[in-house]
Amino acid sequence: EAGVAQSPRYKIIEKRQSVAFWCNPISGHATLYWYQQILGQGPKLLIQFQNNGVVDDSQLPKDRFSAERLKGVDSTLKIQPAKLEDSAVYLCASRVAARVWGTDTQYFGPGTRLTVL
Amino acid sequence: DAKTTQPPSMDCAEGRAANLPCNHSTISGNEYVYWYRQIHSQGPQYIIHGLKNNETNEMASLIITEDRKSSTLILPHATLRDTAVYYCIVRTTGNQFYFGTGTSLTVIP
Repeated sequence: EAGVAQSPRYKIIEKRQSVAFWCNPISGHATLYWYQQILGQGPKLLIQFQNNGVVDDSQLPKDRFSAERLKGVDSTLKIQPAKLEDSAVYLCASRVAARVWGTDTQYFGPGTRLTVL
Repeated sequence: DAKTTQPPSMDCAEGRAANLPCNHSTISGNEYVYWYRQIHSQGPQYIIHGLKNNETNEMASLIITEDRKSSTLILPHATLRDTAVYYCIVRTTGNQFYFGTGTSLTVIP
C-alpha cells in the first residue's frame, strides 16, 4: 500500500513570496490533516478535512494560509505572502475514518521543509 | 494547546527497557491516548494507542493509569534504531490529534 505522498520535499523562498504544497493521501482515506512543525516543537494542526469539507481550521492563519481539497482526494496548502516565521516542516497526514471510532490512526507523509529567507 | 506533558529527554541502554512517561491530566472520558515517534527528517510514525486498558503490540506496550491521567510507553528491548523523538498525543472526539513537545530518547550502546 502506497503511503502519503508530499511534494516538493524542500522549498526555499524569500519573504513575501508565495508557495504551495501538495499532498496525496493514502487511497480511500477520507480524512486529511495539514500540520506545521517548527524546529524543536511537536506538529501543530493547521486544518482538518473530511472528504472535501473542512472540519477544523481554527489554528490556520487565514490571512495568509489557505488550503483546499476540491475532489476529496489530493490537497494543496498555500502561503501568500510568506513570512520568516513560516519556516517549518509542513506535514500531511491521512486517516481512513473507521466506522468504529478509535480503531484507526493517521499516517504521515515525509513533509515539506520550507525555508523563508 | 498541547494536552500532554512529557520529559524533554531520556537515555536508555541498548537492550534494556525504555519507559517513557506522559501526563494528560485533563483528558476527557472518550479521548484516546496515542503514541508516535519521529526519526530525524521523517514524518511521525504510529506506535500504539489506547483508551482505558493496557495495550501491547509488536512494537511496544502502553500502560494507562486507572484514573487515565497518565500513561507510560514501554519499549521492551531498546535498540539503537529506537533513538527518536516520542510524542504522546490526545485524540479528541472531533478526531483532532494534539501533539506535545515530545521526549527525545537516546539509546546508548
